[in-house]
Amino acid sequence: EMQLVESGGGLVQPGGSLRVSCAASGFIFRDYWMSWVRQAPGKGLEWVANIKQDGSEKYYVASVTGRFTISRDNANNSLYLQMNSLRAEDTAVYYCAKEEAWFDPWGQGTLVTVSS
Amino acid sequence: DIQMTQSPPSLSASIGDRVIITCRASQSISTYLDWYQQRPGKAPKLLIYSASSLQSGVPSRFSGSGSGTDFSLTISSLQPEDFAIYYCQQSYSIPITFGQGTRLEIK
Repeated sequence: EMQLVESGGGLVQPGGSLRVSCAASGFIFRDYWMSWVRQAPGKGLEWVANIKQDGSEKYYVASVTGRFTISRDNANNSLYLQMNSLRAEDTAVYYCAKEEAWFDPWGQGTLVTVSS
Repeated sequence: DIQMTQSPPSLSASIGDRVIITCRASQSISTYLDWYQQRPGKAPKLLIYSASSLQSGVPSRFSGSGSGTDFSLTISSLQPEDFAIYYCQQSYSIPITFGQGTRLEIK
């Protein structure tokens, strides 16, 4: 069974940094693009970033470009999102997802709260 | 960026009803359109990919259609577990974008 498990969320002050992680199992991780999608409390879904199988291509939504960095470790079946210069509007549940144009499966999400 | 507009934003329906949710793209996206269901407190779940392909394990009462700019998700006979929020998503171009969601509530 394919599974994604996020970790690393928490409370961080505005301007601070946090790295969230996603552990993959049940599929050949190195064969797929991977994405991060976030959902602010009570709001809709927003795609954040994605990364090619070998890490050679990365794309970001404009609102996080220059502040967030997506990366992956294919040897350890792991996906990461390094978030710097965090703002209150980055508060959200962050989901990782396996990408084949569509997203499936999704992890359970990890909550990042940016507040003083 | 491609804007995805869903209608209606919310919908009240009864068990057994047939329901249609629509999604319009701001430019043609061929069939690069997917549908998700999100129940409260849960991660989204893929229902339909490539506009009309039913994801494995999803009940056949769900179906999708459309191409270009206009798409629809149909639930043929509502069941209690179908009351949730539904999102469309385009993967035609970066940034990948979602519709704002349609909340399906029990009448």
